[in-house]
Amino acid sequence: NAGVMQNPRHLVRRRGQEARLRCSPMKGHSHVYWYRQLPEEGLKFMVYLQKENIIDESGMPKERFSAEFPKEGPSILRIQQVVRGDSAAYFCASSATTGTYNEQFFGPGTRLTVL
Amino acid sequence: RKEVEQDPGPFNVPEGATVAFNCTYSNSASQSFFWYRQDCRKEPKLLMSVYSSGNEDGRFTAQLNRASQYISLLIRDSKLSDSATYLCVVSYTRNSGNTPLVFGKGTRLSVIA
Repeated sequence: NAGVMQNPRHLVRRRGQEARLRCSPMKGHSHVYWYRQLPEEGLKFMVYLQKENIIDESGMPKERFSAEFPKEGPSILRIQQVVRGDSAAYFCASSATTGTYNEQFFGPGTRLTVL
Repeated sequence: RKEVEQDPGPFNVPEGATVAFNCTYSNSASQSFFWYRQDCRKEPKLLMSVYSSGNEDGRFTAQLNRASQYISLLIRDSKLSDSATYLCVVSYTRNSGNTPLVFGKGTRLSVIA
């Protein structure tokens, strides 16, 4: 029973390029969350999606960042025109339900380095 | 003021010691409380949920004080394998129905032989 899968695990981009991060939730999970962990910081919520819908993107920067969770395939977090400050670990989590004490299972993360 | 505050440590303790971590949260609407563990350059993993009545799981005991908005984690008989960063996490339901996790920066624990 595969857990949450993310790829790539490591991604290096030059300033101005695009970064695409992929997340496949656990089997049977329809709720996907993206979090970002800057160096020496705690994880910060970015966006919450269900299939084909963005439910809450209040934690996502207004510019350059977008997310989707299509009917088929993984969830994608897209960062356009990356800057050095985007260098971070991006974690995806999935859950079977929402509500209090719903457990979110995390993927191994994608470490983005912007040169 | 940060939503979830923790002492960053590091806590360096010998094997077999008892160690306690504390955490405070600022949002009184918080409904769910957790301790996660994060190993270096790995993803966070749920250690235990924290309930109002307090709960215990083997060597780990968690307490919640809603009035003081305070959460604690006690680790007894520390093992070398307990070395990690411990993340205090809270959650509340937003209007959208979303329950994002709000993480503290973590407390680093090193258990030494």
